[in-house]
This record gives sequence, C-alpha cells and structure tokens, in this order.
Amino acid sequence: GGIITQTPKFLIGQEGQKLTLKCQQNFNHDTMYWYRQDSGKGLRLIYYSITENDLQKGDLSEGYDASREKKSSFSLTVTSAQKNEMAVFLCASSAEQFFGPGTRLTVL
Amino acid sequence: GEKVEQHESTLSVREGDSAVINCTYTDTASSYFPWYKQEAGKGLHFVIDIRSNVDRKQSQRLIVLLDKKAKRFSLHITATQPEDSAIYFCAASPDTNAYKVIFGKGTHLHVLP
Repeated sequence: GGIITQTPKFLIGQEGQKLTLKCQQNFNHDTMYWYRQDSGKGLRLIYYSITENDLQKGDLSEGYDASREKKSSFSLTVTSAQKNEMAVFLCASSAEQFFGPGTRLTVL
Repeated sequence: GEKVEQHESTLSVREGDSAVINCTYTDTASSYFPWYKQEAGKGLHFVIDIRSNVDRKQSQRLIVLLDKKAKRFSLHITATQPEDSAIYFCAASPDTNAYKVIFGKGTHLHVLP
C-alpha cells in the first residue's frame, strides 16, 4: 500500500507571512489535490494537478500558489497569511481521493 | 458549477440503530458519488461510492442509495457501532470534469451507547 504524508503537521505563522505546505505520495498517482477545510464549511478545492508540472485552479485559489515539482510531490503556498486565520489543509491524490492527515494552520 | 448540500450537520443515534445521511446535488451531469469518513484529528478516508448506472450499492453495513430524478443520494449505516462516530462527507463528481470532486459540508455522526 501507499501513503500520503503532509509536512508540517502544525504550522503557526504571522500575518502577512508566506507559508509553504508540502505533500508527498508514493502511490504513483497522476492527480493530486489541495483542499482547505474550515469548520462547518466542508472541503473547498484550492488547486489540483493532473500530472507533473500541471496546475489547475480550484474554487478557492486566490491567495494561494501551488507547485507540482515532480509526480510524487505537490506544494501549496499561502502567499500572505491572514490574521486569526485557522484552517486545516488537506492533500489528496488520485481522482478516488486518498487523503493525507492534514496540516493545521494558525495565524497569530 | 456543481453544488452538494448535506442536510444534517449533526446526527445522533443509539448504538445498534441505523443512521441515514442525506445529500442533494445540482448538476445532472454528475455521475460519481463517493462518501468519506473523517475521524477526530485525521484526514478523510473513502468508505463507499456509487455511480450513476446503479441506484443501490451495499458494502457490509453501509448502503448507498441514488435517486437521479430527485438528484439525491444517501448513506445508510446499519447496526451502528461506537467506532462509526465520525464526520461523514458526501461528494459528487461531474462528467464534465472527472478530476473535480465537490464535497458537502459534512455530518457529524454520534453513536450513543
């Protein structure tokens, strides 16, 4: 079986800071996703990538950049962290959606 | 674009009873409907799915029903157990972009002893 890892598990940032979240998968899946999960709002798609070097915007892409450096990894950058922001960022791979454990972001 | 509504934000049932979580969708082109479970502090994991060529699918204690006419689908968990307590998400994937999966807001299921 494969695994999806997300780093860091917890991320604390300052307002205005650029923050990068990383995701790695060893399933050899082509497609990878980044979602944001807010309490009571479900999952919202930020970016996805169909293959290496491909990027597709989701519904919530404003304020984020992404990079698919290689097939196994997909990075997400919060371009300017918002004060008091708290959310969980979930990475997934494959259209069948295998999820990582998440990165919990808190902005002070 | 597709919108998925998950009607129950919280659901409490007694252990051994059945739980039903209902979802509706808007895009008639959607053809794939997966369900996910999220336990406390963890990511989501897939539990069951249904495609639009059938209206019922069962996997052990989980049953998914799909009513394409009403654009409604539901997850039935029979003989609930304490380990079924979690947040359940329904989702839909449109034919027009099979890579995109649109999620509902989640239902927090509590199985009471």
